[in-house]
Amino acid sequence: KQEVTQIPAALSVPEGENLVLNCSFTDSAIYNLQWFRQDPGKGLTSLLLIQSSQREQTSGRLNASLDKSSGRSTLYIAASQPGDSATYLCAVSPIYNNNDMRFGAGTRLTVKP
Amino acid sequence: EAGVAQSPRYKIIEKRQSVAFWCNPISGHATLYWYQQILGQGPKLLIQFQNNGVVDDSQLPKDRFSAERLKGVDSTLKIQPAKLEDSAVYLCASSLGTGEAFFGQGTRLTVV
Repeated sequence: KQEVTQIPAALSVPEGENLVLNCSFTDSAIYNLQWFRQDPGKGLTSLLLIQSSQREQTSGRLNASLDKSSGRSTLYIAASQPGDSATYLCAVSPIYNNNDMRFGAGTRLTVKP
Repeated sequence: EAGVAQSPRYKIIEKRQSVAFWCNPISGHATLYWYQQILGQGPKLLIQFQNNGVVDDSQLPKDRFSAERLKGVDSTLKIQPAKLEDSAVYLCASSLGTGEAFFGQGTRLTVV
């Protein structure tokens, strides 16, 4: 059974800092990994999708990396802004069902002005 | 492109009552999911549909929860009877099958 863990559970940084969020998973037989953002009381917004054959994906100030062999992914946020404050969730899909997604509990990020 | 629509946004019921949630996925998306998200936790998959067939319902408490997807489009999730521990946000998502999923705003259920 796939277990997804995110560390830290919460993170508070001053505006302008670069930061890294971590995601680990127990079963390396994955189809893809996604990073989502969730604002309070809202649904999830997909940020980055990394296929199992890829090592990283970039979108603006966000960069996500994937190391299947070690069961890890990181989300790097450059030059953080107060608007980045949200909960960040990672989800992995297994090879046998690429439409399935198993989520971590998320990292709650606060960027202070 | 319209997103995933869910209703209602909020619902408060007493324990042992029944409740139903509705989801309209993005047009053309064959895969539809229902997730339960308890406060402070990540979403947990309840059921996954491919068109109108069930792919995975292994984590659906079938003694009280039921879901259907008629004609492979809209879906409803029902809880009968509700328990206090069912208080959560119920998220609907849809996917084309590429692995990228799009989520609705969710329905926040409070059972008192």
